[in-house]
Amino acid sequence: GESVGLHLPTLSVQEGDNSIINCAYSNSASDYFIWYKQESGKGPQFIIDIRSNMDKRQGQRVTVLLNKTVKHLSLQIAATQPGDSAVYFCAENGGTASKLTFGTGTRLQVTL
Amino acid sequence: GAGVSQSPRYKVAKRGQDVALRCDPISGHVSLFWYQQALGQGPEFLTYFQNEAQLDKSGLPSDRFFAERPEGSVSTLKIQRTQQEDSAVYLCASSPGQYSTNEKLFFGSGTQLSVL
Repeated sequence: GESVGLHLPTLSVQEGDNSIINCAYSNSASDYFIWYKQESGKGPQFIIDIRSNMDKRQGQRVTVLLNKTVKHLSLQIAATQPGDSAVYFCAENGGTASKLTFGTGTRLQVTL
Repeated sequence: GAGVSQSPRYKVAKRGQDVALRCDPISGHVSLFWYQQALGQGPEFLTYFQNEAQLDKSGLPSDRFFAERPEGSVSTLKIQRTQQEDSAVYLCASSPGQYSTNEKLFFGSGTQLSVL
């Protein structure tokens, strides 16, 4: 299949370490944000979401932080595993009910 | 199947040919989206359906692009007179409700279109 993200920013972490992936969003009207994971040859897979009335939300091994003041979003992955290797995209809704705007993506490489 | 299904998985077209890409959303999902993903970039919105109604087509790049969902389930994205810049992965996504960007989208694996 095709390779996603040939020239993306890359974050390399050792297995077992924590990963932090950052995203700056642009639209102050956005009130809903999502992180997606995309493996090569596959479509984006939902990881976690957060609404603008929250600053932090936790899932299984993942935490999303939202700083509306500086329009910044981060994804924290605890105890990173080889299966976490993928391209990660943040997305915002721009206050609309019909479209998500995706960021450029970050490639996460997990080394053994 | 349980997920969003897209076909064909790969499509090679000569410049000027018409192509049709199919999406089978998750059964019962009200909302359906098409996105275009160029190599090395994030998906970009093309169009959105709520049941059979196309409520937003602001992302379609030109009038060569046309999408339909006549019975509110299966959708087809048609590209007429394909050009090289149309080469990309075309992703379909669906979600259960009407207020779709306030809930997560389920994506298919996409159709990789190569225009020669």
